[in-house]
Amino acid sequence: DAGVIQSPRHEVTEMGQEVTLRCKPISGHNSLFWYRQTMMRGLELLIYFNNNVPIDDSGMPEDRFSAKMPNASFSTLKIQPSEPRDSAVYFCASTLDRGEGTQYFGPGTRLLVL
Amino acid sequence: DQQVKQNSPSLSVQEGRISILNCDYTNSMFDYFLWYKKYPAEGPTFLISISSIKDKNEDGRFTVFLNKSAKHLSLHIVPSQPGDSAVYFCAASSRTGKLTFGQGTILTVHP
Repeated sequence: DAGVIQSPRHEVTEMGQEVTLRCKPISGHNSLFWYRQTMMRGLELLIYFNNNVPIDDSGMPEDRFSAKMPNASFSTLKIQPSEPRDSAVYFCASTLDRGEGTQYFGPGTRLLVL
Repeated sequence: DQQVKQNSPSLSVQEGRISILNCDYTNSMFDYFLWYKKYPAEGPTFLISISSIKDKNEDGRFTVFLNKSAKHLSLHIVPSQPGDSAVYFCAASSRTGKLTFGQGTILTVHP
């Protein structure tokens, strides 16, 4: 299995631009999670989907952030407009919804907003 | 409010000795605990887990201990190897599907 795939691996953009991060979960997994890692806040959950439906988006920092999961094999996290404080590493993770909690992470997208 | 805490930002250990990483939690609803390991420029990878019905789980050189009354868990690595040098995250779940992570501990194993 290829594991969780994220693209791009690195993104450098200017403040005000739209940024779209992409994720392909492990085939057969039905839960998908978006995390953000920063030095200050560590690894924090932004949103998660179960069977393509958003279940909990309480971690999404503000309206500039949005996430979609149009089908079981693809999800996007969009930031519009981007700000320098959005600079972080964004991880996507997936799991089979057995309730045991073991999630499998992608390699992350390192975002720098200038 | 940090529900999962790793109070040691870093730990340095000699190769061959034991590494002990600690984690405390505050939410009594957590009933499943995991340790993840993260190398630079990679995503966290699952290492070992423990259910709240157990107090110990062992997998090769890695053992996780859970003390529910103290709301404390620890990861023991013995013997430690230079390849174990990484950031270790403790995580907890209440079977909702969500994981709450600690801030991480940087482990350095010296040859």
